Amino acid sequence: GQQLNQSPQSMFIQEGEDVSMNCTSSSIFNTWLWYKQEPGEGPVLLIALYKAGELTSNGRLTAQFGITRKDSFLNISASIPSDVGIYFCAGQNTGNQFYFGTGTSLTVIP
Amino acid sequence: DAGVTQSPTHLIKTRGQHVTLRCSPISGHKSVSWYQQVLGQGPQFIFQYYEKEERGRGNFPDRFSARQFPNYSSELNVNALLLGDSALYLCASSLALSTQLYGYTFGSGTRLTVV
Repeated sequence: GQQLNQSPQSMFIQEGEDVSMNCTSSSIFNTWLWYKQEPGEGPVLLIALYKAGELTSNGRLTAQFGITRKDSFLNISASIPSDVGIYFCAGQNTGNQFYFGTGTSLTVIP
Repeated sequence: DAGVTQSPTHLIKTRGQHVTLRCSPISGHKSVSWYQQVLGQGPQFIFQYYEKEERGRGNFPDRFSARQFPNYSSELNVNALLLGDSALYLCASSLALSTQLYGYTFGSGTRLTVV
């Protein structure tokens, strides 16, 4: 099946630092989404991107839809302890099929 | 308003057994999807149902089946359980037959352990 590769796999950062993670695909997607999942919970949508080149912000979060439509990145500015969790990218292809990435685990050290 | 509710929250089964997982969507939501999330990986799409009909199926064996009831709740059934079926099973609901994943709200999942 379709593989979405996320990097890095895990991050340990100091509170206040900025975070950057990305997601790449072997094929084109029409929509890119970023989710956060905390222990014992389902994924929660953070940002949705609908067209190539789009840059969208949600508070301290900023995400971009890559020009090639095969990648996306997520930045978190001025991290805080509650940013801890696993961040997943997800893409929807032309066949309306959905695929999730492998996840980036974020730990914020106070 | 209650969110997407799944039951049970945790379950332990032995190999070869059958399991039924249940999902109640957000009130007014008519579409339900099921995902399998193996530890350390992202969710993988299993099924999508809308108005009691299957509208999408992922790459899972026939041991996996599902149905949606008139009240839009849903069941996921897995027969002849294998150790590899151990995972968090997530249900997501949406108002309509959304073709956009952003339209879905996820439940907290059922943690299935097969021993």
